Amino acid sequence: DAKTTQPTSMDCAEGRAANLPCNHSTISGNEYVYWYRQIHSQGPQYIIHGLKNNETNEMASLIITEDRKSSTLILPHATLRDTAVYYCIVPPREYGNKLVFGAGTILRVKS
Amino acid sequence: EPEVTQTPSHQVTQMGQEVILRCVPISNHLYFYWYRQILGQKVEFLVSFYNNEISEKSEIFDDQFSVERPDGSNFTLKIRSTKLEDSAMYFCASSERTLGGELFFGEGSRLTVL
Repeated sequence: DAKTTQPTSMDCAEGRAANLPCNHSTISGNEYVYWYRQIHSQGPQYIIHGLKNNETNEMASLIITEDRKSSTLILPHATLRDTAVYYCIVPPREYGNKLVFGAGTILRVKS
Repeated sequence: EPEVTQTPSHQVTQMGQEVILRCVPISNHLYFYWYRQILGQKVEFLVSFYNNEISEKSEIFDDQFSVERPDGSNFTLKIRSTKLEDSAMYFCASSERTLGGELFFGEGSRLTVL
């Protein structure tokens, strides 16, 4: 996988936006950026993915820099239930949907 | 909302016993996966399955492991002779398509080998 680098942990106040960064400087032009999260040992949950353009869905927004070497996942109004480990993953195109999970970012949302 | 279901939620077994973990993927999905997570460690890929055959497997997925889609709805992971180090959460996932499709994970089966 294209190597991704994420901060080990972050804190966010409840109701505020959580901005989770990810560096993927070796990403190839046709590789997607995926974000998943895992809440307390539950199964990983898909959040969003993108290739070049910024993406938004009901859960989050994904901002990808123009050079595609980094991205930011934005949870616009974090709640306590958003406390989880967040994974930024860039699977090589030829591996299809084989995801390789790193350590991710532990996001703690605090009241 | 459709979901991936896994059974059992927790299984305790003796070392050397065979274990079968079951998964019901989302009905229109064609690609199936097993992952595992040892307590406190990363989520690890085990195997992917498409069109009734393994499409990729990791070095963890040795001869002790096998997968099967016996009846068109279930997707099973069999561990023939469990070891202590097989104790982990096992997650099943499915996806509608490859390349750009998201994976939907089940809630996991916790396997404890004594």
